[in-house]
Amino acid sequence: DADVTQTPRNRITKTGKRIMLECSQTKGHDRMYWYRQDPGLGLRLIYYSFDVKDINKGEISDGYSVSRQAQAKFSLSLESAIPNQTALYFCATDPGTGLGEQFFGPGTRLTVL
Amino acid sequence: GEDVEQSLFLSVREGDSSVINCTYTDSSSTYLYWYKQEPGAGLQLLTYIFSNMDMKQDQRLTVLLNKKDKHLSLRIADTQTGDSAIYFCAEKGTGNTPLVFGKGTRLSVIA
Repeated sequence: DADVTQTPRNRITKTGKRIMLECSQTKGHDRMYWYRQDPGLGLRLIYYSFDVKDINKGEISDGYSVSRQAQAKFSLSLESAIPNQTALYFCATDPGTGLGEQFFGPGTRLTVL
Repeated sequence: GEDVEQSLFLSVREGDSSVINCTYTDSSSTYLYWYKQEPGAGLQLLTYIFSNMDMKQDQRLTVLLNKKDKHLSLRIADTQTGDSAIYFCAEKGTGNTPLVFGKGTRLSVIA
């Protein structure tokens, strides 16, 4: 079984719709991250959380919000989706040991029409 | 903020060596990483190097770090078609700062 799972894997939605992407992990890691990947722009950090009560903005948090419901779950929401949020979204975890190694989920491909 | 730069594309012939280069700006980097992303998948850690090391070798992979020039490279010996992927360079600063990733280098291996 995958250690970091993301649902859904693919989603097509319309402009203005609210959408939630979910991430679950069985690795027991405290730290979780949301990134988006766009061709030519690489990986950009949206939000991250070092603990259940801790939420931090990343490089491109505008238009997104997150919820850390439990150690194992970290959700990303788009309150009113717009076409330039079409991208591949990745969740990642980190055990917080100092090495900094991150473990990535398989990604969610989101298309906003 | 800190930045990590790498070229976007590299094409090599099967059996040749590949060298992917990366430069970074954070003079207080503690660890530097190479991640591999295969088509349709998330990123996976390939290797990493601690900032006080110059070189790390792991089977076909050799990582070289020039801390003075803030330059990191990944050499893949005897490149195979299965090595075709996007390779991301990343660095970690001190404390709890998140990793900073480069834009990724797409390696194409020609049979």
